[in-house]
Amino acid sequence: GENVEQHPSTLSVQEGDSAVIKCTYSDSASNYFPWYKQELGKRPQLIIDIRSNVGEKKDQRIAVTLNKTAKHFSLHITETQPEDSAVYFCAAILMGYGNKLVFGAGTILRVKS
Amino acid sequence: NAGVTQTPKFRVLKTGQSMTLLCAQDMNHEYMYWYRQDPGMGLRLIHYSVGEGTTAKGEVPDGYNVSRLKKQNFLLGLESAAPSQTSVYFCASSYSAAGHNEQFFGPGTRLTVL
Repeated sequence: GENVEQHPSTLSVQEGDSAVIKCTYSDSASNYFPWYKQELGKRPQLIIDIRSNVGEKKDQRIAVTLNKTAKHFSLHITETQPEDSAVYFCAAILMGYGNKLVFGAGTILRVKS
Repeated sequence: NAGVTQTPKFRVLKTGQSMTLLCAQDMNHEYMYWYRQDPGMGLRLIHYSVGEGTTAKGEVPDGYNVSRLKKQNFLLGLESAAPSQTSVYFCASSYSAAGHNEQFFGPGTRLTVL
């Protein structure tokens, strides 16, 4: 089955700097890769996703890149702000019966002001 | 729309007790999921359902049972709770159609088993 590894487990940046979180997946057939943000005590919420037929996707300060050959994808946050502090999870699925997500272990991002 | 709701928000059980967690969604989603979240381990899928009357095992199904008698509800049961089941439980739902794959999560249930 699919296995997703996420690095780093914690990341501290200064406000205004960029943050990059990387994930690798094992199943080359996986074709959908979402990123979720979870604030302390809250539910995970989708912030951006990418499909396997796209190499990069951007939404304001957030971007995701996908390298299918290397089986890894990354989240890029530019001009970080204190409200970006949260836990970020990557996930991967092979779309099909149930569309079951396999999540990475998460990255705690701290933005210092 | 309320989205995805979960009942209860918190619960403390003694080892061996049973309980049922209720998940409800008002978005007419076909797919529903139960996850557990433990520190440093992300979210792990317990059971899922692709429609009313169907259930299937996820990554960590042992010690749990589920039922989906109505499309809008997905119940997670613990027949004999164990301390290893102390966790935060999240329910999620999504459409089945391609291109509409976002999973919407409920607020979570924090369960402690003593």
